[in-house]
Amino acid sequence: DGGITQSPKYLFRKEGQNVTLSCEQNLNHDAMYWYRQDPGQGLRLIYYSQIVNDFQKGDIAEGYSVSREKKESFPLTVTSAQKNPTAFYLCASSRDRVLAGAEDTQYFGPGTRLTVL
Amino acid sequence: GQNIDQPTEMTATEGAIVQINCTYQTSGFNGLFWYQQHAGEAPTFLSYNVLDGLEEKGRFSSFLSRSKGYSYLLLKELQMKDSASYLCAVRGRRRGSARQLTFGSGTQLTVLP
Repeated sequence: DGGITQSPKYLFRKEGQNVTLSCEQNLNHDAMYWYRQDPGQGLRLIYYSQIVNDFQKGDIAEGYSVSREKKESFPLTVTSAQKNPTAFYLCASSRDRVLAGAEDTQYFGPGTRLTVL
Repeated sequence: GQNIDQPTEMTATEGAIVQINCTYQTSGFNGLFWYQQHAGEAPTFLSYNVLDGLEEKGRFSSFLSRSKGYSYLLLKELQMKDSASYLCAVRGRRRGSARQLTFGSGTQLTVLP
């Protein structure tokens, strides 16, 4: 089955620690994205990547870092510099490139709920 | 920048029809998406509109008016499982070489028996 996986589903972190969230996809999608969702708010874009070894900051990149060493994988590190890291983190992917229309729909993984203690 | 507005909450009865509205202001429009999100789960894709008019997909339909910056999602024959948050998302101009989605805050729909 093709899809997007995220692990772990729940993650607890002590204040001041870095933590890495995993995102893997086997859809052969070029583009991958990380979003953050807080209660009562829409999804906000943290980082995105269109191709391997390239990524761009989204609207709220401060305190986060990413890497894209493989097409299938786009891990997100929440650093100690992120002032309010407790949130639901969602990874997504799409075919992107020059495609437009419904073919460029973003599909989401199951999410990781991060809680900072 | 982009701004998307949708009602925070709606309630409807099982078997009824409900319309969830979404208005947007955007610099450069390149499509509007509707997603469904159950509590604690990932959003799932429902519909896509880029041209004016109605797109029908089973019990769900989505309408777009680009001149008015307006869309709605219509859910017919409501079922209890339709209780979820419905997210409106607009794709704007390219930024860099990727297409950006801006999401509304979502409309929490509760279906009552």
